[in-house]
Amino acid sequence: DADVTQTPRNRITKTGKRIMLECSQTKGHDRMYWYRQDPGLGLRLIYYSFDVKDINKGEISDGYSVSRQAQAKFSLSLESAIPNQTALYFCATSEGTGPYNEQFFGPGTRLTVL
Amino acid sequence: AQSVTQLGSHVSVSEGALVLLRCNYSSSVPPYLFWYVQYPNQGLQLLLKYTTGATLVKGINGFEAEFKKSETSFHLTKPSAHMSDAAEYFCAVIRDSNYQLIWGAGTKLIIKP
Repeated sequence: DADVTQTPRNRITKTGKRIMLECSQTKGHDRMYWYRQDPGLGLRLIYYSFDVKDINKGEISDGYSVSRQAQAKFSLSLESAIPNQTALYFCATSEGTGPYNEQFFGPGTRLTVL
Repeated sequence: AQSVTQLGSHVSVSEGALVLLRCNYSSSVPPYLFWYVQYPNQGLQLLLKYTTGATLVKGINGFEAEFKKSETSFHLTKPSAHMSDAAEYFCAVIRDSNYQLIWGAGTKLIIKP
């Protein structure tokens, strides 16, 4: 079984709809991250969490919110989706012992907002 | 602002040829540098990283990278390309302010038979 799972893998929604992307991990890591990937732009950090009570905004948090329900679960919500939020979204985890630790990525969720 | 620049959105090499993917970064403190690889329809995985010490870093699948402070570069190389190396490669550096990763735009490596 995969260590970092994301659901759904693909989602098509309409402008204005609320949508939630979910991430679960079995690696026992404290740190979790949400990124979006756009062609030609690489990855950009949306939110990151050092533990259940420590959540931080990344470089592009506007229009997004997150919830860390447990050490193993980190959800990303789009309150009112817009077309420019169409992207590939990745969840990642890392051990909480330093900034240079390897990040482990889920398979991604491809989101299309019409 | 800090940045990571990967030269070439696409690089094409013949099977068996040298692979060279270029990465330049900006950082006001000694950098932590990374290369990740993304195979089609998968998440990213770590190839190698530089933190401190030896400037030539070896990674998985025969890849290596050399940290050159004077050139602010961290280029990725592999002596002999294999068809299985076809993927997108991302360079990243730790951001000085919040210790999170700043990513390059990625380079798609194409292997010609």
